[in-house]
Amino acid sequence: EIVMTQSPATLSVSPGERATLSCRASQSISSNLAWYQQKPGQAPRLLIYGASTRATGIPARFSGSGSGTEFTLTIGSLQSEDFAVYYCQQYNNWPPETFGQGTKVEIK
Amino acid sequence: QVQLQESGPGLVKPSQTLSLTCTVSGGSISSGGSYWSWIRQHPGKGLEWIGYIYYSGSTYYNPSLKSRVTISVDTSKNQFSLKLSSVTAADTAVYYCATRAGSGFFDYWGQGTLVTVSS
Repeated sequence: EIVMTQSPATLSVSPGERATLSCRASQSISSNLAWYQQKPGQAPRLLIYGASTRATGIPARFSGSGSGTEFTLTIGSLQSEDFAVYYCQQYNNWPPETFGQGTKVEIK
Repeated sequence: QVQLQESGPGLVKPSQTLSLTCTVSGGSISSGGSYWSWIRQHPGKGLEWIGYIYYSGSTYYNPSLKSRVTISVDTSKNQFSLKLSSVTAADTAVYYCATRAGSGFFDYWGQGTLVTVSS
């Protein structure tokens, strides 16, 4: 099973600033990585797949990069609606698909 | 756009079987291309993939739950279902149904339903 490790656990950012979230895989997963956003009381929402492709309707301030074992989600100019928990998920080796433990982006 | 809605009991007694159904609208389970999935989230914790089924009936389960999980599909009702047997308090979680795109990411999610295991 591939283990996904996200850092940091919590990221404190001021509105309008940039946020950079990291996700590391325990072995190479090529570009088979997705990012999700989850707000309190809501289901996760797909943001990015293929490590860098934005899902339908996702604003351009969300960008993903990386391949192999190291991945980054960047949120440029944080808006109030962006404060949430973000999860990465690998789908290179399955089953099982595995998720990271999440990074909470909170208001500084 | 595909919409998913979970339904089932919110309270299950220990040792019993948890049963949930996901009703799909805006798309057909039989159309192929997607895997119909269950994912859970323990309170305040991360996401755990439970398993999924293809419309043909092929199933894939998380090895950690495989001995207790059954996922089935009813194409006539455009629904798929989850059964988790011998539940304990550790199975208390929000259960989501979701669609897994052919390549592997989860693109549509239900709103989730909280299932509590308690006597």
